[in-house]
Amino acid sequence: DIQMTQSPSSLSASVGDRVTITCRASQGISNYLAWYQQKPGKVPKLLIYAASTLQSGVPSRFSGSGSGTDFTLTISSLQPEDVATYYCQKYNSAPPLTFGGGTKVEIK
Amino acid sequence: EVQLVESGGGLVQPGGSLRLSCSASGFTFSSYAMHWVRQAPGKGLEYVSAISSNGGSTYYADSVKGRFTISRDNSKNTLYLQMSSLRAEDTAVYYCVKGTYSGYDPFDYWGQGTLVTVSS
Repeated sequence: DIQMTQSPSSLSASVGDRVTITCRASQGISNYLAWYQQKPGKVPKLLIYAASTLQSGVPSRFSGSGSGTDFTLTISSLQPEDVATYYCQKYNSAPPLTFGGGTKVEIK
Repeated sequence: EVQLVESGGGLVQPGGSLRLSCSASGFTFSSYAMHWVRQAPGKGLEYVSAISSNGGSTYYADSVKGRFTISRDNSKNTLYLQMSSLRAEDTAVYYCVKGTYSGYDPFDYWGQGTLVTVSS
């Protein structure tokens, strides 16, 4: 099975900072990569799919890029409401739809 | 409005069994693959099991293979997860999840989750 590795596992940044989270697949997955946001005590929410397509209603400060094995999620200007754990997920054609280990984002 | 409502969680002893249910509404249930994802307390998301739209194809994570059985009743718009030989490490919130499209796609709707606690 393809493994998904996220880095860092946690980060602390100031409001307004640019934040970048990395996700690496153990094999190429084209652009079959999604990102989720899970706020404390809440259900995960789909942010981005197809590596770079923003889900409806997601603020434009979120963006995704990458293809093959290396992907990034960027928050262009961190806001207090962005405090959450972010997960990547691969979904190329068949199960398992494996998640990365998560990146916890906090405000400094 | 899409709704996924899980039930059946609770406290069970190691070695015991439990059946989770997920009642779906607001979409054509029989057209979508469905999934179970779990999250142990304070931990990340773990993909557990999947079933194709007609129930003909299933998937299990190695951690639950041989102990869990996923099934669905499209006439009742309900997804199930039969769990047996439960272990302490199965303690988690279990989410019923729907894919965005009819295949194995990202998850656009999640249930609120049902907590399974395996403890003596």
